[in-house]
Amino acid sequence: QQPVQSPQAVILREGEDAVINCSSSKALYSVHWYRQKHGEAPVFLMILLKGGEQKGHEKISASFNEKKQQSSLYLTASQLSYSGTYFCGTGRDNYGQNFVFGPGTRLSVLP
Amino acid sequence: EAQVTQNPRYLITVTGKKLTVTCSQNMNHEYMSWYRQDPGLGLRQIYYSMNVEVTDKGDVPEGYKVSRKEKRNFPLILESPSPNQTSLYFCASSPQGLAGASYEQYFGPGTRLTVT
Repeated sequence: QQPVQSPQAVILREGEDAVINCSSSKALYSVHWYRQKHGEAPVFLMILLKGGEQKGHEKISASFNEKKQQSSLYLTASQLSYSGTYFCGTGRDNYGQNFVFGPGTRLSVLP
Repeated sequence: EAQVTQNPRYLITVTGKKLTVTCSQNMNHEYMSWYRQDPGLGLRQIYYSMNVEVTDKGDVPEGYKVSRKEKRNFPLILESPSPNQTSLYFCASSPQGLAGASYEQYFGPGTRLTVT
């Protein structure tokens, strides 16, 4: 089952903050976040693992609530370059090879 | 330069004409995967491979075949393409083997396929 993302789309002005949420009805073993700009390939942002470990870009922050099976991506002081579609993803089991992405959240940052 | 390459980048074909989309990575990654991306549906996994000669179905494998004879290559084969396979296809690789989803995936540039 595909993770659910909210909101579907958000429009910001430069400098504003945004939160993108990802939730699952099944256990989340880890949560990945990727950003895709129009016409380009998805690019890795962050991985959140059980136990609080995180791997990713220093300027991106995120949280992972294992009990609630939810993750949130925090974009602060947004820049024009933040525009794109954000996807969360997770493995269907603890091995993680069978991978499923959410439908995406489209973020537009305006000057 | 570390990268995942795909060929062709664009392809228009007709129903039933067999085609292969190649994918190659130069990072010595164990894991490779194919995704298709359709509007509103996000990225859906077609097949994945944990290592040479080890492949398994993802969520939408119908109508596709893969093979992993070499570590660096993971071609996607459509033996009899149909219009519902018109999509944007991405190949990805990752260092992970069986260590769990704790490694990021590196995506190729994508192949836009149109089947008429």
